[in-house]
Amino acid sequence: DGGITQSPKYLFRKEGQNVTLSCEQNLNHDAMYWYRQDPGQGLRLIYYSQIVNDFQKGDIAEGYSVSREKKESFPLTVTSAQKNPTAFYLCASSLVEYTEAFFGQGTRLTVV
Amino acid sequence: SQQGEEDPQALSIQEGENATMNCSYKTSINNLQWYRQNSGRGLVHLILIRSNEREKHSGRLRVTLDTSKKSSSLLITASRAADTASYFCAYHNNNDMRFGAGTRLTVKP
Repeated sequence: DGGITQSPKYLFRKEGQNVTLSCEQNLNHDAMYWYRQDPGQGLRLIYYSQIVNDFQKGDIAEGYSVSREKKESFPLTVTSAQKNPTAFYLCASSLVEYTEAFFGQGTRLTVV
Repeated sequence: SQQGEEDPQALSIQEGENATMNCSYKTSINNLQWYRQNSGRGLVHLILIRSNEREKHSGRLRVTLDTSKKSSSLLITASRAADTASYFCAYHNNNDMRFGAGTRLTVKP
């Protein structure tokens, strides 16, 4: 089955730790995106990538980093510089820009 | 922020009634899309309308787009309890994709 998979579903981070959220797609999509969603809020763009080895910052990139070494993978690292990382993180992909996006089921990150 | 605005923030209706949600955005766009999100889940694509289109239908969904006013509306007709969810508009500006703040729809049986 084709789709986009995020893991883990739940993640707990201690203060000062870096954590990496996984996002994998087997849809052969070029574009991939990371969003952050806070309770009762909309989605805010963290990073996006249109092709392998290239990515751009979104509106709230500070404290986050990404890589795009393979077309199917776009991991997000939440660094210790992100002061308020507790949130729901969503990854999406699309065939090219301007077409419908497919979303993963999200990772809920909690700082303990 | 380039995030769009949606109104109302929350909408509660009875089953069988129609629901209308509005979205405004700030930039020029190539297309506008509407997505649905059930609580704690990923988003599901509903419908896409291109910048040169004014209206589009898909089943019980009707979307309009007014690029001069930078606004769009989503109408769900004959609503069902299963339509209860959050609805977001999304638009492409350059190579990214941004979302509105969303409307939380509750359909009471």
